[in-house]
Amino acid sequence: ETVLTQSPGTLSLSPGERATLSCRTSQRVSSYYLAWYQQKPGQAPRLLIYGASSRATGIPDRFSGSGSGTDFTLTISRLEPEDFAVYYCQQYGSSPPVTFGGGTRVEIK
Amino acid sequence: QVTLKESGPVLVKPTETLTLTCTVSGFSLSNVRMGVSWIRQPPGKALEWLAHISSNDGKSYSTSLKSRLTISKDTSKSQVVLTMTNMDPVDTGTYYCARMDEWFGDLDHWGQGTLVTVSS
Repeated sequence: ETVLTQSPGTLSLSPGERATLSCRTSQRVSSYYLAWYQQKPGQAPRLLIYGASSRATGIPDRFSGSGSGTDFTLTISRLEPEDFAVYYCQQYGSSPPVTFGGGTRVEIK
Repeated sequence: QVTLKESGPVLVKPTETLTLTCTVSGFSLSNVRMGVSWIRQPPGKALEWLAHISSNDGKSYSTSLKSRLTISKDTSKSQVVLTMTNMDPVDTGTYYCARMDEWFGDLDHWGQGTLVTVSS
């Protein structure tokens, strides 16, 4: 099973600052199969990034994804008030096909 | 417009079997490339993937929960059903169904989730 480790656990930043979130996988993951989600309290997760770097429909361009192999990054270029949330990475592979990381909370400093 | 909606009991007793239904609209469960997964989230904790059913009826399960889970679908009713046997209080949480784009493995549309509490 591919384990996804997200760091840091919590990121304390101010609006306007840049956020860099890491997702490290225990085995190589094809870039096609790495996604990022945003979850706000009381809401379902929302797809932000698929294929490691492609933004989902309606996602602002301040969100970007990068990486390959076992190291992937989600960057929020300038934090807006609505961006403070929990972020999860997810991989799609073989047996089991889906695993999630433990999440990174982005909180207001 | 793609929507998914979970339904099922809000309270189950320990050892009982949970049955959840995901009713979808805006796409067909027979669409090539589109499958449906179930994911759960204990209160205050991370997401945990449970099971998936693909457009061609292929099924896959969480390694740790495989013995307790069954996923099936009724394409004519646009429904995906998940059963989980031998429920325990640690299974308390919000259960989501989500559509998967199987070309990229991402979950592009999610239901609102349904909170299931396991308690006697």
